[in-house]
Amino acid sequence: QVQLVQSGAEVKKPGSSVRVSCKASGDTFSSYSFFWVRQAPGQGLEWVGRITPMFAISQYARRLMGRLTITADEATSTTYLELSSLKSEDTAVYYCARSWRDIKQVPSDTKPDYFQHWGQGTLVTVSS
Amino acid sequence: DIQMTQSPSSLSASIGDIVTITCRANQSISNYLNWYQQKSGKAPQLLVYAASTLQSGVPSRFRGSGSGADFTLTINNLQPEDFATYYCQQTYSTLPITFGQGTRLDIK
Repeated sequence: QVQLVQSGAEVKKPGSSVRVSCKASGDTFSSYSFFWVRQAPGQGLEWVGRITPMFAISQYARRLMGRLTITADEATSTTYLELSSLKSEDTAVYYCARSWRDIKQVPSDTKPDYFQHWGQGTLVTVSS
Repeated sequence: DIQMTQSPSSLSASIGDIVTITCRANQSISNYLNWYQQKSGKAPQLLVYAASTLQSGVPSRFRGSGSGADFTLTINNLQPEDFATYYCQQTYSTLPITFGQGTRLDIK
């Protein structure tokens, strides 16, 4: 079955960068979209960005643009989130998730997308 | 951005109760509405997609309904494992995808 396994917790200083990985297994990789969602302590879910490895296209939440990079390595079936110039308000659990839609099988966007599989989450703490 | 508003933000209920959570979008999103359940310290899990389709393995006591801008998640015969936080999510506009603020369901 599909599994998304994320890297471990990180503690970072303000102004530094962090990279979180999400390794997928159990299915093909490049023809699915992968999303990143974060959750600050005690707060709700915030969409951060997405990547579709087959197209190597990334999209980012407006408030994080300029600090956020999402990439994918097809050789290792891994997607990465890198966030720079860290602030205390970036402290959160970061989740990766995968779409249900195999773009090679269902190329159209006429059906709603949803996050069918989730990683276990990675806590990123930004503190001086 | 499409704003999603859930209500209530929290509620208390008893085992066996029927619970209804609503989610409203600030524009029509057709049926591009999903529901997730999140238990404390865990990743969210998909419950309902495309407004009314139950994800495989989800008990039939969960029911999603609605279209356009107004949606409902109903849980019949509440069970102990249902106490969690529930989020709606719209994927009609994918830049950005937005979530409701969550509804925390706890035991009365």
